[in-house]
Amino acid sequence: DSGVTQTPKHLITATGQRVTLRCSPRSGDLSVYWYQQSLDQGLQFLIQYYNGEERAKGNILERFSAQQFPDLHSELNLSSLELGDSALYFCASSVAGGQSHEQYFGPGTRLTVT
Amino acid sequence: AQSVTQLGSHVSVSEGALVLLRCNYSSSVPPYLFWYVQYPNQGLQLLLKYTTGATLVKGINGFEAEFKKSETSFHLTKPSAHMSDAAEYFCAVSDKRGGSTLGRLYFGRGTQLTVWP
Repeated sequence: DSGVTQTPKHLITATGQRVTLRCSPRSGDLSVYWYQQSLDQGLQFLIQYYNGEERAKGNILERFSAQQFPDLHSELNLSSLELGDSALYFCASSVAGGQSHEQYFGPGTRLTVT
Repeated sequence: AQSVTQLGSHVSVSEGALVLLRCNYSSSVPPYLFWYVQYPNQGLQLLLKYTTGATLVKGINGFEAEFKKSETSFHLTKPSAHMSDAAEYFCAVSDKRGGSTLGRLYFGRGTQLTVWP
């Protein structure tokens, strides 16, 4: 158990819908990262937050957004869903925002868009 | 942007045999280097990392990796495979130069390790 929790574990929804994925980082970790894992693209970085502020952005679609709240939990919002958004979404946390710090991954949320 | 190549999407070994999983990175500035393991229906677990210092890094479960700057490689090895090692292994790098990519990991496509009894 990494100490990072993600809810829900599975999500099935229809095209055009909007969903919210939730992540609670390890106790004491200030940085939260979101990654998408798909067969086509592999593991791709989406976005990073550090202590409530957006820190780095990767290949995140405009239909996707995220935020980190004062209690440091984070939410990833996916809207106007398409079939291609079906993937495993991971949240990871680290103690700080630096490059050398290891990231601890949650169990993921499997999103299926039908 | 960083690029990570894992040679061989599938590797099969017998129990007790040497495990060698290959990873090469593209950056001219050596990045920070990581190996993660993913068991079925689970998240990624850090096996080991290299940031600075000794180039041979030991991790959990008997794995180790060696950073070779001249070869831009960070191959993962284990002297004797165990059935419980069967999983998918990901090599990842973090750009030391920071900037807009600060903290993000770039992953290889993964290598599925099968261990035969």
